[in-house]
Amino acid sequence: GQQLNQSPQSMFIQEGEDVSMNCTSSSIFNTWLWYKQEPGEGPVLLIALYKAGELTSNGRLTAQFGITRKDSFLNISASIPSDVGIYFCAGPQGGSEKLVFGKGTKLTVNP
Amino acid sequence: SAVISQKPSRDICQRGTSLTIQCQVDSQVTMMFWYRQQPGQSLTLIATANQGSEATYESGFVIDKFPISRPNLTFSTLTVSNMSPEDSSIYLCSVDGGTQETQYFGPGTRLLVL
Repeated sequence: GQQLNQSPQSMFIQEGEDVSMNCTSSSIFNTWLWYKQEPGEGPVLLIALYKAGELTSNGRLTAQFGITRKDSFLNISASIPSDVGIYFCAGPQGGSEKLVFGKGTKLTVNP
Repeated sequence: SAVISQKPSRDICQRGTSLTIQCQVDSQVTMMFWYRQQPGQSLTLIATANQGSEATYESGFVIDKFPISRPNLTFSTLTVSNMSPEDSSIYLCSVDGGTQETQYFGPGTRLLVL
């Protein structure tokens, strides 16, 4: 089945730094989703992308849908301690309603 | 987005027993999904819960181990049967986001099997 490869696996940054993470696949996706999961919680949808080349922002978060439809990027500007969590990319599997998830990028922000 | 609750939020169970997890949504939704998240891992889809018909299971998951009910458009249950320590995971339900190919997740049920 389709797989999503996320990198980096983990990041340790200082408060105020910018963060960039990405998600790639060998298959084309028509939708890219970015979720954040904090400890003890379920994943929360941050940004949804529906069009190749689309750039969408949500506060300090910006995500892009790659032109090839095989990748997506998430950037966080001026990180703060509450940005800590695991960030997952996801996309519909084979055009169905089922989602496939990447393995996640664990973000740690040092105050 | 829908508000989703799960019960219990966590449990510690003995091997060989079964646990039923409930998922309640504050609005009617067409599709509900059940995921497993093993410690430190990503989310793996167990099955899609269909209202009025049997659940559709993914490869590696079977109805005898994970029976699912979907009695109406706002509620579903997942049972983890004959549990072993390998079933220790977070179990998450999600619902479809309407027409936008998105899903919204509940807070999860943290299960530890001893």
